[in-house]
Amino acid sequence: EAGVAQSPRYKIIEKRQSVAFWCNPISGHATLYWYQQILGQGPKLLIQFQNNGVVDDSQLPKDRFSAERLKGVDSTLKIQPAKLEDSAVYLCASSLRWNGNTIYFGEGSWLTVV
Amino acid sequence: SQQGEEDPQALSIQEGENATMNCSYKTSINNLQWYRQNSGRGLVHLILIRSNEREKHSGRLRVTLDTSKKSSSLLITASRAADTASYFCATEGSGNTPLVFGKGTRLSVIA
Repeated sequence: EAGVAQSPRYKIIEKRQSVAFWCNPISGHATLYWYQQILGQGPKLLIQFQNNGVVDDSQLPKDRFSAERLKGVDSTLKIQPAKLEDSAVYLCASSLRWNGNTIYFGEGSWLTVV
Repeated sequence: SQQGEEDPQALSIQEGENATMNCSYKTSINNLQWYRQNSGRGLVHLILIRSNEREKHSGRLRVTLDTSKKSSSLLITASRAADTASYFCATEGSGNTPLVFGKGTRLSVIA
């Protein structure tokens, strides 16, 4: 079974520039998550999709972050404009359903904002 | 907040020893999960324990849950150098609230 795919793996941008991360979840998984993990901390949920609808985006900085899940499969997370404090790993994850299930993580997209 | 708080923040042991990590949380939960993260990699699910369960085993892993104390522990027996990683607990609250992760315990197993 293929895992959660993410790209790019690494990205360095200047502040105020924009960046987009792509995620392809495990086939058949209805729930997709984007987490932000700052070095030395645990992952923080940014947004959770159930199929192509948003379940929770309460911690998504909506003035600069946006995310969509096209046709309930792939997802894109965009940051525009980026700030220095956005430097983190952005982890995409998926699960069969939205609670009580194992969450499978991708390898993450490492963002450095300079 | 129902965020889990792991203790200790860092742990260093010799190969063959047992490693115990603890997690405390604040509000009622549906389940608690433990994940492992190797340096520079994504998280890997280890074990899920539901609120009506007290203990679960998986290979060299043993997880306990005490809902009266709002705490859980992860025991890794006969540790190996390959167990070196960060370990996170995550809680799923009642009412379909999303999974929330703690800050993790960094385990170093010295050969």
